[in-house]
Amino acid sequence: AQTVTQSQPEMSVQEAETVTLSCTYDTSESDYYLFWYKQPPSRQMILVIRQEAYKQQNATENRFSVNFQKAAKSFSLKISDSQLGDAAMYFCAYLSDSGTYKYIFGTGTRLKVLA
Amino acid sequence: DGGITQSPKYLFRKEGQNVTLSCEQNLNHDAMYWYRQDPGQGLRLIYYSQIVNDFQKGDIAEGYSVSREKKESFPLTVTSAQKNPTAFYLCASSNHAGGSQPQHFGDGTRLSIL
Repeated sequence: AQTVTQSQPEMSVQEAETVTLSCTYDTSESDYYLFWYKQPPSRQMILVIRQEAYKQQNATENRFSVNFQKAAKSFSLKISDSQLGDAAMYFCAYLSDSGTYKYIFGTGTRLKVLA
Repeated sequence: DGGITQSPKYLFRKEGQNVTLSCEQNLNHDAMYWYRQDPGQGLRLIYYSQIVNDFQKGDIAEGYSVSREKKESFPLTVTSAQKNPTAFYLCASSNHAGGSQPQHFGDGTRLSIL
């Protein structure tokens, strides 16, 4: 069974600085998708970024980028120029391409942004 | 605007009572999901449905039941058998035609015991 591990329960970053959140996963499959979601205090889940495993190029969305290392089964999220509004829980998620439609979530990392 | 609507936003349950959480989507997504989130914790899958009239148990299905009679709707019933129902419940949907897409989430329902 696939698992997703987020080893940092909490991280802090100074406003305007850069922070990297870690995510590792375990799978025997070669085709899958990876996601980062943000959950602010409002509890709404917001998609931050998506990566297809077959793509070697790392996904980027404005200030958010990933470092996807397929062999190492690592999928870290880098937030550049951190803003106060980035403070939230961040969840890493895995989806197999086998047709199960079942997403596997990590336990989350709480990000604090210091003014 | 397309999206997922969960209702009510807050719900209170008495001992021995069943309660039903509503989830409706107008995104034309085939798959729908129910997650439970306890304070400071991640998301745990309760049930999910890939198509109408079909659903599968997730990791913590005991004490819960669902139905999927319409594509747009996936209600969750928290039964009296669920002894610790106090939590935040999130409904989600996704589309997988032409490649898997990320889930869309509702705003959640907070359930408490009276």
